[in-house]
Amino acid sequence: EVQLLESGGGLVQPGGSLRLSCAASGFTFSSYAMAWVRQAPGTGLEWVSTLSNSGDGTYYADSVKGRFTISRDNSKNTLYLQMNSLRAEDTAVYYCAKGSDSGSFGDFDYWGQGTLVTVSS
Amino acid sequence: DIQMTQSPSSLSASVGDRVTITCRASQGITSYLAWFQQKPGKAPKSLIYAASSLQSGVPSRFSGSGSGTDFTLTINSLQPEDSATYYCQQYNSYPFTFGPGTKVVIK
Repeated sequence: EVQLLESGGGLVQPGGSLRLSCAASGFTFSSYAMAWVRQAPGTGLEWVSTLSNSGDGTYYADSVKGRFTISRDNSKNTLYLQMNSLRAEDTAVYYCAKGSDSGSFGDFDYWGQGTLVTVSS
Repeated sequence: DIQMTQSPSSLSASVGDRVTITCRASQGITSYLAWFQQKPGKAPKSLIYAASSLQSGVPSRFSGSGSGTDFTLTINSLQPEDSATYYCQQYNSYPFTFGPGTKVVIK
């Protein structure tokens, strides 16, 4: 059974940093692209970033480019999102999502339960 | 960026009804379209990928169609557990973008 478990969310002040983790199990982690998608309170879904299975292809939304860094440790079956220079508008539930067998980096077949990041003073 | 729109924004239907949700892309995305279901407080769940392929384990009353710019999600014989918000998403090009969602309420 595919499982994705996010952690690392919490309350942080504007300008602060936070690192999210997503522990994966139930599939061969190193074979799949992975992504982060966020959802601000009461709003819709926003794609944040995608990382290729090997880690050599990274893609970001303009809203986070230069501030967030996606990475992975295939030996630990874990995906990360380093978030710096956080802003109030980054407040959201952050979901980890697994790329599908299709190979398309934006085709997400499983999602974690999410971790809440709140940016506030 | 490719903009995704959905209609209606919400709908109310009875158990057993056939429900259709429309998604439109601002430019052609061939068949790189997915549909997700999200219930309050829960993660999105994948229903459809490649516009019309049913995700494993998803009931066959869900179906998707379309290509290019116009797509539909159909729920045949609506069930109480289908009460949720439904999102379309394009993955033809970066940045991947989602529609604003359609809330389905059971009468």
